[in-house]
Amino acid sequence: EDQVTQSPEALRLQEGESSSLNCSYTVSGLRGLFWYRQDPGKGPEFLFTLYSAGEEKEKERLKATLTKKESFLHITAPKPEDSATYLCASWGGDKIIFGKGTRLHILP
Amino acid sequence: KAGVTQTPRYLIKTRGQQVTLSCSPISGHRSVSWYQQTPGQGLQFLFEYFSETQRNKGNFPGRFSGRQFSNSRSEMNVSTLELGDSALYLCASSLDRDTYGYTFGSGTRLTVV
Repeated sequence: EDQVTQSPEALRLQEGESSSLNCSYTVSGLRGLFWYRQDPGKGPEFLFTLYSAGEEKEKERLKATLTKKESFLHITAPKPEDSATYLCASWGGDKIIFGKGTRLHILP
Repeated sequence: KAGVTQTPRYLIKTRGQQVTLSCSPISGHRSVSWYQQTPGQGLQFLFEYFSETQRNKGNFPGRFSGRQFSNSRSEMNVSTLELGDSALYLCASSLDRDTYGYTFGSGTRLTVV
């Protein structure tokens, strides 16, 4: 069964303290791996799509990487405005499966 | 540029009633997807429409249905509401999901009492 698991469920960091969020997936025929950010009361906001193992994409303080079994979202020197829930989603066949997300809280 | 618009934002319904939610995608986007988001299950895929045709469907009972109109606007209907249908219903549209992923609306918060 296709599955996406994110860890940790929640993470509290001090401002400037870098860390990584994990997204493990078991999907037949992965076509892509999405990362989204979701703020309270809003819909998810698209961040990245990764297609193949070894691929990396960056946006401001965020960098997403992909291996054959997992993806990482690295956050470098985060700021309080990076606080949000980060969601990953696998795209395999014609199904998109979301993980339950990591709630990230950056303390000033 | 207008984003994805969902109406209404909030809705309270009674068990057994039916409800229709509306989604207007970004202009030019022909793909519209619907998701249910709950604290316990996270985001779960309901269905996707492309050019008025249902392209894909998630594992939800037949009480959940949808349609897409020629202008790409989409509606989702839930009949015989149950308490467990209380959730945030999100609509997302895409021009090219390979490059741009999906753009989500802010959702409709449905509460069934």
